[in-house]
Amino acid sequence: DTEVTQTPKHLVMGMTNKKSLKCEQHMGHRAMYWYKQKAKKPPELMFVYSYEKLSINESVPSRFSPECPNSSLLNLHLHALQPEDSALYLCASSQGEGTAQYFGPGTRLTVL
Amino acid sequence: AQSVTQPDIHITVSEGASLELRCNYSYGATPYLFWYVQSPGQGLQLLLKYFSGDTLVQGIKGFEAEFKRSQSSFNLRKPSVHWSDAAEYFCAVGAGSGGGADGLTFGKGTHLIIQP
Repeated sequence: DTEVTQTPKHLVMGMTNKKSLKCEQHMGHRAMYWYKQKAKKPPELMFVYSYEKLSINESVPSRFSPECPNSSLLNLHLHALQPEDSALYLCASSQGEGTAQYFGPGTRLTVL
Repeated sequence: AQSVTQPDIHITVSEGASLELRCNYSYGATPYLFWYVQSPGQGLQLLLKYFSGDTLVQGIKGFEAEFKRSQSSFNLRKPSVHWSDAAEYFCAVGAGSGGGADGLTFGKGTHLIIQP
């Protein structure tokens, strides 16, 4: 089973809202990732959680905040987003360094 | 830092014809290489991966890729394409950071169009 699930599938929010994206995997993987993908662009890495250690892409603004409640769950908390943050947000998981990453279907986020 | 180049933005192939998508990488050591496929509005599906060993790797859906260190390439091939292969294809490289996990660096993608 190589399934990664993401909720919600679609999210529309205003710039003053607070919302969260959720990701779950049941493959026993110890690393989870958030990527952002703009239209007609490749995914760009935002965060990595590996063995409970967080690594951050330094270009990601602080209005994005990841949380890893346990090894199978990964959340992305959103606050005071801008319209340019509208994108497809992809979650992935892997067994760790040098192994394949398996992606969820993504959450389509629109910021008004 | 690693990088990936996919020189072809669009490729059009007739159904039943063979396919080759090009990928070149830049990395100082032996990279971990992947090909993913993405249909519109969907997540990425792993087609195949190369870590070490045999330089010709087989993947799902009849795809294969060949790692050529001398050319820093990892081209994707399929002997006969089907209309359902129309999608965006991404080549990606992962490089060990020693931190227990590494994010992927993607090429810009190649949009595959299948002509009937």
